[in-house]
Amino acid sequence: KAGVTQTPRYLIKTRGQQVTLSCSPISGHRSVSWYQQTPGQGLQFLFEYFSETQRNKGNFPGRFSGRQFSNSRSEMNVSTLELGDSALYLCASMGGTGHGYTFGSGTRLTVV
Amino acid sequence: AQRVTQPEKLLSVFKGAPVELKCNYSYSGSPELFWYVQYSRQRLQLLLRHISRESIKGFTADLNKGETSFHLKKPFAQEEDSAMYYCALTRAGGTSYGKLTFGQGTILTVHP
Repeated sequence: KAGVTQTPRYLIKTRGQQVTLSCSPISGHRSVSWYQQTPGQGLQFLFEYFSETQRNKGNFPGRFSGRQFSNSRSEMNVSTLELGDSALYLCASMGGTGHGYTFGSGTRLTVV
Repeated sequence: AQRVTQPEKLLSVFKGAPVELKCNYSYSGSPELFWYVQYSRQRLQLLLRHISRESIKGFTADLNKGETSFHLKKPFAQEEDSAMYYCALTRAGGTSYGKLTFGQGTILTVHP
């Protein structure tokens, strides 16, 4: 069974640009969550999607957005990039209540 | 608000010694607790869920609601246990919609 796949693995962007990250969950998993990991703030919840609907959102500015497709694949977008957006972005999928979340390897975003 | 505290940023023990990684939480509702582990250059992996009351790789953790703690223990540490360990909390009952609140993590080093 394939795990959670995130693409690309690494990205370098310039301030002011926008970026789109992709996440393919484990087959059959309908819940996809996104997290930002930084040395200073640790792991912080961005948002969660289930059946193409955003069910929950963390405390991030509106520049951070996401969506989920009918095949459960998800994308997150960050517009008007800032230096502080440099981080490892993790995606996690879950198959059902009571099961843990399975994480992908992440996308390392560097904003210069 | 929910909060997870891992008081030790670094923990060093010798091989064969007992190890305990502390986790305290603050949450007004009914929590579901997890331990995640991240080995060097690997993705974040689920180690334990409190609801399953299982032992994985010799690790156990008991939820103490009175002390609001979920400490991770292993009687005899092995060198391969060296990793970053995260304690995480979510709302029980499947209504957290993807949101895990993580502690800051503890780096465990097991010396030969």
